[in-house]
Amino acid sequence: RKEVEQDPGPFNVPEGATVAFNCTYSNSASQSFFWYRQDCRKEPKLLMSVYSSGNEDGRFTAQLNRASQYISLLIRDSKLSDSATYLCVVRYDYKLSFGAGTTVTVRA
Amino acid sequence: DGGITQSPKYLFRKEGQNVTLSCEQNLNHDAMYWYRQDPGQGLRLIYYSQIVNDFQKGDIAEGYSVSREKKESFPLTVTSAQKNPTAFYLCASSRGAMNTEAFFGQGTRLTVV
Repeated sequence: RKEVEQDPGPFNVPEGATVAFNCTYSNSASQSFFWYRQDCRKEPKLLMSVYSSGNEDGRFTAQLNRASQYISLLIRDSKLSDSATYLCVVRYDYKLSFGAGTTVTVRA
Repeated sequence: DGGITQSPKYLFRKEGQNVTLSCEQNLNHDAMYWYRQDPGQGLRLIYYSQIVNDFQKGDIAEGYSVSREKKESFPLTVTSAQKNPTAFYLCASSRGAMNTEAFFGQGTRLTVV
């Protein structure tokens, strides 16, 4: 079983729509969680950390469910600029494990 | 400006040759990482280092070697034993504390010709 698994998508949504997707992780001792964004042929960049109580950053909301070992990301009021691949990242000790990514395309 | 610098951006290698990818950071981070990304796939961990003179194998270490002689530097050598080295290589660093994120360099695209 992979350490981190994501729905690959692609999610193709119109501008203004809400899109949500999940990520599951296998190590119940995982300590911290992140969402990264990666544009085509670029390096990943941190979108947001994910806290146990859930957190928002503008139009982005992240949730963590430790009991079921999944993380979610919700994007509200999608913009064309949100088109990217979103990577789920899980940390255990010093090791950072990445999911394969969820591709989101926002169309005009 | 603080950050992570990878060089070169593009690298071409003949089959059977070793090649070394450079990664330098001036963020004073303890931990450094090397990942490999193949087209349409996620990042796979090659090696990581928590501290100078120490490093651990990741999930796909075969055919690769690293060193960590200085805090700022974590070079990756792709050896001739790596059977399919063409990929996008990403270096990252983090403070290493439990809840800290990683920051990435701009990557090196290695092509075997």
